[in-house]
Amino acid sequence: EVQLVESGGGLVQPGGSLRLSCAASGFTFSSYWMSWVRQAPGKGLEWVANIKQDGSEKYYVDSVKGRFTISRDNAKNSLYLQMNSLRAEDTAVYYCARHYQLLPDFDYWGQGTLVTVSS
Amino acid sequence: QTVVTQEPSFSVSPGGTVTLTCGLSSGSVSTSYYPSWYQQTPGQAPRTLIYSTNTRSSGVPDRFSGSILGNKAALTITGAQADDESDYYCVLYMGSGIAWVFGGGTKLTVL
Repeated sequence: EVQLVESGGGLVQPGGSLRLSCAASGFTFSSYWMSWVRQAPGKGLEWVANIKQDGSEKYYVDSVKGRFTISRDNAKNSLYLQMNSLRAEDTAVYYCARHYQLLPDFDYWGQGTLVTVSS
Repeated sequence: QTVVTQEPSFSVSPGGTVTLTCGLSSGSVSTSYYPSWYQQTPGQAPRTLIYSTNTRSSGVPDRFSGSILGNKAALTITGAQADDESDYYCVLYMGSGIAWVFGGGTKLTVL
């Protein structure tokens, strides 16, 4: 069974940093593109970043470029999101999502972890 | 800036048929955007319903179907049930670097 379990969320002050993790199981993690998608309270979904199977390609939404870094450790079946210079507008539930092989669409989603940026 | 448009809300009667749409602020949606659809109930993670325009995800009932209607992607629910009451999001793939843009979501009420 495919499982994606996020962790690392919490309350952080504006300008602070946080590192999210996503533990993957039930599939060959190293064979899939992975993404982070977020959802601000009461708002819609927003794609944040994604990373190729071997980590050689990474893409970001404009609003997080230069502040967030996506990475992965295939030996640990884990996906990460390092978030620096956090702003109030980064407050959201952050979901880890797997892409279909050979297709750009998302297939499996984690349950999410809440990040709150507030003083 | 690319904006993906969805109806903010829609209502359907139990047993009825409803079609939700997903458009672009400028231009037409085609299969090359790999439109996909996700269902989300409050407090839950999104669930993949339809990917690559019209392929149902594993376990999704066949009363959910995807298509291109005119210049938009469409999600049709045939024989709506009470537990279909959810938020529905579409997303379009804009290519590497620009990647994915979600629509604002449609809140579907079944009553």
